Amino acid sequence: AQTVTQSQPEMSVQEAETVTLSCTYDTSESDYYLFWYKQPPSRQMILVIRQEAYKQQNATENRFSVNFQKAAKSFSLKISDSQLGDAAMYFCAYSPTGNQFYFGTGTSLTVIP
Amino acid sequence: GAGVSQTPSNKVTEKGKYVELRCDPISGHTALYWYRQSLGQGPEFLIYFQGTGAADDSGLPNDRFFAVRPEGSVSTLKIQRTERGDSAVYLCASSSTGTSGGAGYNEQFFGPGTRLTVL
Repeated sequence: AQTVTQSQPEMSVQEAETVTLSCTYDTSESDYYLFWYKQPPSRQMILVIRQEAYKQQNATENRFSVNFQKAAKSFSLKISDSQLGDAAMYFCAYSPTGNQFYFGTGTSLTVIP
Repeated sequence: GAGVSQTPSNKVTEKGKYVELRCDPISGHTALYWYRQSLGQGPEFLIYFQGTGAADDSGLPNDRFFAVRPEGSVSTLKIQRTERGDSAVYLCASSSTGTSGGAGYNEQFFGPGTRLTVL
């Protein structure tokens, strides 16, 4: 069974600083996808960044980057230069095919002005 | 429409009643997904449609849950004999096509969800 674990229920960061959100997952597959989604109070899930397991290079999207450690089954999200609009729930997700997603329990990020 | 829409945004019902939740995907998207998000949890996969057919319904918790997509566009999630444990936010997502492992990935765009409360 595939599981996704986010061990930090809540995190806070000072505006303009950097924060790292942790995620580990369990799978026996060799090819899969990993994602970070942001869910603001509006409930709409927004894709932040994705990583294909076959790619060794860590994905980067502007201020967002990941540290993908395949052997350790770890997939952390780094947010640089944090902004007030980054405050939200962040969910890590795993997908073996790109269709069925398995989500973690989320990390609530607070950005302190 | 510009994005995925879901109606109603909130639904309150009594235990034992029947409910229908509607999802309008992005125009032209052939793949559609339903998830359930309980309080304090991440979304949980329920079912995935490719066109009109259910390609994967392994996440449906029991036979009280059923979903249809008769014309390959709008989808309806149907819950019979609702129970208090069914209370959750039901999310819908669509993508331009489903993904067959290794064939690339198409982003899933999510709607705002329907909050179902069973009293």
